[in-house]
Formats: sequence, C-alpha cells, structure tokens
Amino acid sequence: SQQGEEDPQALSIQEGENATMNCSYKTSINNLQWYRQNSGRGLVHLILIRSNEREKHSGRLRVTLDTSKKSSSLLITASRAADTASYFCATAGTFGNEKLTFGTGTRLTIIP
Amino acid sequence: KAGVTQTPRYLIKTRGQQVTLSCSPISGHRSVSWYQQTPGQGLQFLFEYFSETQRNKGNFPGRFSGRQFSNSRSEMNVSTLELGDSALYLCASSFLGQGSGANVLTFGAGSRLTVL
Repeated sequence: SQQGEEDPQALSIQEGENATMNCSYKTSINNLQWYRQNSGRGLVHLILIRSNEREKHSGRLRVTLDTSKKSSSLLITASRAADTASYFCATAGTFGNEKLTFGTGTRLTIIP
Repeated sequence: KAGVTQTPRYLIKTRGQQVTLSCSPISGHRSVSWYQQTPGQGLQFLFEYFSETQRNKGNFPGRFSGRQFSNSRSEMNVSTLELGDSALYLCASSFLGQGSGANVLTFGAGSRLTVL
C-alpha cells in the first residue's frame, strides 16, 4: 500500500503563479523526498528533508515538514511551463523499513 | 557521467510469456532498486540489490525475480506474464543503498511492458 498520499491529485495554474502540493504519510520516517516525473519517464530527485528538519529550500523549491502531523508540502514559486510534470513524495522509514515508498502523485499543469 | 540505462525501452509480450529487463546503474553505485508503476497502483517497490545480494523485497508474487551481477548491472525477470503486469518498470541506483539514511535514487527512463 502507498505510504504517502498527495493532495491535490491534479493542479492547473497560470505560468508565473506559485504551486503548492501536499503529502501526508502514515508511519515514522527517517527522511522525506520529492521527485518529479515527466510524461511516463523516469523520476528525477528534487529535494530531501530529514525528519529533524522543518524547512528546506532549493532554487524555486521550498519544502516543509511537520512530523507531528505527518505531512509535508512542496511549494514551487514563479512556475514555468517546464514545471509541468507529476510530483511524488517518497518516505524512507526507520529501522528495517527504510525503502523509499512513493505517494500517489500530483499532476501539475502550467498554462502558458 | 552516464545515467541509469534501462533496456529495452518498450516491449510487447503475450500472456504466459516471460520477460527480462536490464538495468545498468551509474558507475560506482552498488545498489539497484526496481519499481513497478501503473496508473492504478502507482509506484510499487519490487526489490533492491546491493553488492549482488537481495536486500529488500516488496509484496510481489514469486513470478517476479531479479539478480545483480558483479559489475552492479541488474536484471529483473517476470515469468508467466499476466495482463496486469503491463506497466512501466523503473530501475534506480544509489551509492549507499536504501537504508543508508541518505538514499537518494537516480532513476532510469524505464522499460514499458505491454502484455497482450
């Protein structure tokens, strides 16, 4: 079963706007990662946030993590057409459950 | 350096046949993980190999198997194919492997299998 659930399942915004995606998970984690996938190709790693971190930035990406609520959000600022893709959160558990488990994904469409 | 290479990229098989997919990891990476991606189930973990040993296995039937060679290249095999095995099969490599606490995966482009 999926560890993470993304919300919303699909999101369409105008180019230049900000996009926010949320991820909820069920069990304790070591770290949480976000990946992007373009049109059924391989996934590309975007950012990793550890369980003892609350916020992390990378370029136009901002990730927050709230372990008390078992949730994370990914914010993409000043969106571009090239950001059109599916975005997945993935969680690495603890102590024997470390394999990365992926969420259901958010399909983001940027309208030029 | 070269990325993760998966072959073949596309293949069509019929029910009952078997298939072998190949994955060449990034040079120096010792861990190879396999995932199955379908519209209905999303990304499901199949197994991970590290230094030729299966280190972790997902909840798939025994028809799904894999192996890793001494050069870290990996293959996965699906026997007695079923219609539900149609999927994108993704291979990912990492240096320290899953369970290291810094398990960022580098994915290949995938092998799209269609079972008729």
